[in-house]
Amino acid sequence: SQKIEQNSEALNIQEGKTATLTCNYTNYSPAYLQWYRQDPGRGPVFLLLIRENEKEKRKERLKVTFDTTLKQSLFHITASQPADSATYLCARPSGNTGKLIFGQGTTLQVKP
Amino acid sequence: DAGVIQSPRHEVTEMGQEVTLRCKPISGHDYLFWYRQTMMRGLELLIYFNNNVPIDDSGMPEDRFSAKMPNASFSTLKIQPSEPRDSAVYFCASRETGVRGGYTFGSGTRLTVV
Repeated sequence: SQKIEQNSEALNIQEGKTATLTCNYTNYSPAYLQWYRQDPGRGPVFLLLIRENEKEKRKERLKVTFDTTLKQSLFHITASQPADSATYLCARPSGNTGKLIFGQGTTLQVKP
Repeated sequence: DAGVIQSPRHEVTEMGQEVTLRCKPISGHDYLFWYRQTMMRGLELLIYFNNNVPIDDSGMPEDRFSAKMPNASFSTLKIQPSEPRDSAVYFCASRETGVRGGYTFGSGTRLTVV
């Protein structure tokens, strides 16, 4: 079955450092992966989409990679700030359907 | 656009009661999704609609759960009768056809069944 696995342990880093979050998937490579941010008491907010044929995508301080050999996506936040503290979710489509399967999310805590 | 609007934000009900959650998707979005989020199981897809038609309800836990989308601007998720294990945050999300953008989620309804 198709699964998305994210490190369930919280990631604690110092302000200014680069945060790197990992998303591993099973089964065949999806056509794309998506990353979301979720703050406590709020719904997830879409951040980035990366397609299978894109090795890397950037948006401001965010960078996402897609490695089909390792079956892995990495999500980087450079020059991290306390405001970046949140839970980050990785998601993949389920086959050719319109639905997304989400990972459990990794909580990032950026300390000043 | 006000985004995806869900109501109520919080719902506390007694076991056995009927609960109805409501969602207004973003205008022009032709897909609507209902998810449930718990600490143990994360975000689980319950059901989704395309152009108001239910496409996949394989995630609906059991017959106690039902969802409708009578028109493009409104959907409901009903639980009857409710049980304590239904306690969770229920999210509605919508998107338009194509994969350039992601889902837009509502703020969720926190349901507590006592």
